[in-house]
Amino acid sequence: AIQMTQSPSSLSASVGDRVTITCRASQDIRDDLGWYQQKPGKAPKLLIFAASSLQSGVPSRFSGSASGTDFTLTISSLQPEDVATYYCLQDYNYPWTFGQGTKVE
Amino acid sequence: QVQLVQSGGGVVQPGRSLRLSCAASGFSFTSFAMHWVRQPPGKGLEWVAMILYDGSNKYYADSVKGRFTVSRDNSKNTVYLHMNSLSAEETAVYYCARGDMRIWGQGTLVTVSS
Repeated sequence: AIQMTQSPSSLSASVGDRVTITCRASQDIRDDLGWYQQKPGKAPKLLIFAASSLQSGVPSRFSGSASGTDFTLTISSLQPEDVATYYCLQDYNYPWTFGQGTKVE
Repeated sequence: QVQLVQSGGGVVQPGRSLRLSCAASGFSFTSFAMHWVRQPPGKGLEWVAMILYDGSNKYYADSVKGRFTVSRDNSKNTVYLHMNSLSAEETAVYYCARGDMRIWGQGTLVTVSS
């Protein structure tokens, strides 16, 4: 199975900060990667699909990029409502695999 | 509205079985694959299983292969997860999700305990 290594596991930032989260795939997954936001007690929410496409309704401060097997989620200006845990998910082949998660505080 | 409503969670003894249900509404159920994802308390997400729109193909995580079965009844707009030989480590919130991962169920807690 493809391994997704996500970092950091947690971070603390201030309102207005630029936040970057990274996932590295153990093999080529093209751009078959999504980013999800999960708040406590809630189901995950899709933010970014196909590595860099913004899901409808998601604020434009969220963006995704890819370079080889490295994928990045960026929050350009952190807002209080962005406090959550973020996960990457490779949907290149089965079994799909999530990163370990990044808790943003 | 577009939604997935889950049912069937609860407390089950180790080694026993349980079936989860996920009922879809507000979209063309037969046009989408469906997934199951789980999350142990305080831990990360784990993808569990997928079934194609017509049930013709299914995929499973290695951790559940041979014990879990995903099925669907397109006449009832419902997908199921049959879980056998459950262990305590499989205590988790189980989510169903539409194939494009844009719509998720509310989650249902499965507690495996004697």
